[in-house]
Amino acid sequence: KAGVTQTPRYLIKTRGQQVTLSCSPISGHRSVSWYQQTPGQGLQFLFEYFSETQRNKGNFPGRFSGRQFSNSRSEMNVSTLELGDSALYLCASSAPFGSDTQYFGPGTRLTVL
Amino acid sequence: QQPVQSPQAVILREGEDAVINCSSSKALYSVHWYRQKHGEAPVFLMILLKGGEQKGHDKISASFNEKKQQSSLYLTASQLSYSGTYFCGTEQRGDDKIIFGKGTRLHILP
Repeated sequence: KAGVTQTPRYLIKTRGQQVTLSCSPISGHRSVSWYQQTPGQGLQFLFEYFSETQRNKGNFPGRFSGRQFSNSRSEMNVSTLELGDSALYLCASSAPFGSDTQYFGPGTRLTVL
Repeated sequence: QQPVQSPQAVILREGEDAVINCSSSKALYSVHWYRQKHGEAPVFLMILLKGGEQKGHDKISASFNEKKQQSSLYLTASQLSYSGTYFCGTEQRGDDKIIFGKGTRLHILP
């Protein structure tokens, strides 16, 4: 099986812009979770989607949003970028429930200038 | 509620043992362990679903003490390939999301 893929792998944006990141889960996986990883903060949970519905949300401002399509692919959008949004954004897919093993993609490295 | 991992970092020589702890202030349903090597995505190690459960493969094992709301990861006779950052992820009852700790950096010296 192909693994989780994320595009783009690297992105450079300036403050105030918006960005959309994409994640394609492992075939058959219907749950997609997004995490922000910054040095010293570990993996911070953004949100989880299952069957096109947001099932859980972390403590991030409304500038962070996401969606999931009928084929389970997911997108994450960050509007009005701030310098502090620079991070590695990881998505992970799992079988039906969040308590199952999470398979991580390689991540998208976002740099905000 | 983010779980607390300890220690934050540890340096070992090849062949030595290590223990990484993960504690939560909330009742836990499951604990997940992942390892991330520099520049790579986190990779699943194991999941513990029952209180008192111990799992392991190769020379890496873990325990889950439900009453104490903590889990420990044991690395025995560490190898150079064990170097990386170890994350525990916890899930509370009735909540499907997994919250990860800040990680423990493990460096193995030859």
